[in-house]
Amino acid sequence: EAQVTQNPRYLITVTGKKLTVTCSQNMNHEYMSWYRQDPGLGLRQIYYSMNVEVTDKGDVPEGYKVSRKEKRNFPLILESPSPNQTSLYFCASSGAGWGANQPQHFGDGTRLSIL
Amino acid sequence: KQEVTQIPAALSVPEGENLVLNCSFTDSAIYNLQWFRQDPGKGLTSLLLIQSSQREQTSGRLNASLDKSSGRSTLYIAASQPGDSATYLCAGGNRDDKIIFGKGTRLHILP
Repeated sequence: EAQVTQNPRYLITVTGKKLTVTCSQNMNHEYMSWYRQDPGLGLRQIYYSMNVEVTDKGDVPEGYKVSRKEKRNFPLILESPSPNQTSLYFCASSGAGWGANQPQHFGDGTRLSIL
Repeated sequence: KQEVTQIPAALSVPEGENLVLNCSFTDSAIYNLQWFRQDPGKGLTSLLLIQSSQREQTSGRLNASLDKSSGRSTLYIAASQPGDSATYLCAGGNRDDKIIFGKGTRLHILP
């Protein structure tokens, strides 16, 4: 089954403790992206990647890191999490860059709470 | 910088009615516009994607249109059903491959 898988689905942690949210897709997609969703602010793009070893900042990249060493994986790293990073996070992928007009497939989300 | 707006934020309509959801964007150089559905506690499901060279796309009871000159897209839902209740989001794809989402319209279909 074609899917985007995020882990963990839920995480409660404390300020300053490094964490990684994994994202994996099995559709051989080039384009992958991370979003956060907050009440009243909607979905905002954090980082995106056009292909392996290519990553770019979205609208809200501060406090986050990503890497794209393999095509199927796009982990989101919070080196020193802070309470303002408490949010619902989504990973998505598509067959090519947005300009190539491919629909995005989304994971089920990771609810992250930073105390 | 591209901005995407969806009005109204919430909408309730009786079952069986046809309805239109609106999405407006500021940069007409948009590459494409995609409509999504999000159910509570779930991820996003792609409904329709309209390329910049297209005027509309149809899937079942859904029809999405795109007018780049006026900066507007609409999602038309025919013969609405209670199962259509969800939040509907539009997202604009841009030349720099960034994606900008609207804040969504929360739709409630009254049985």
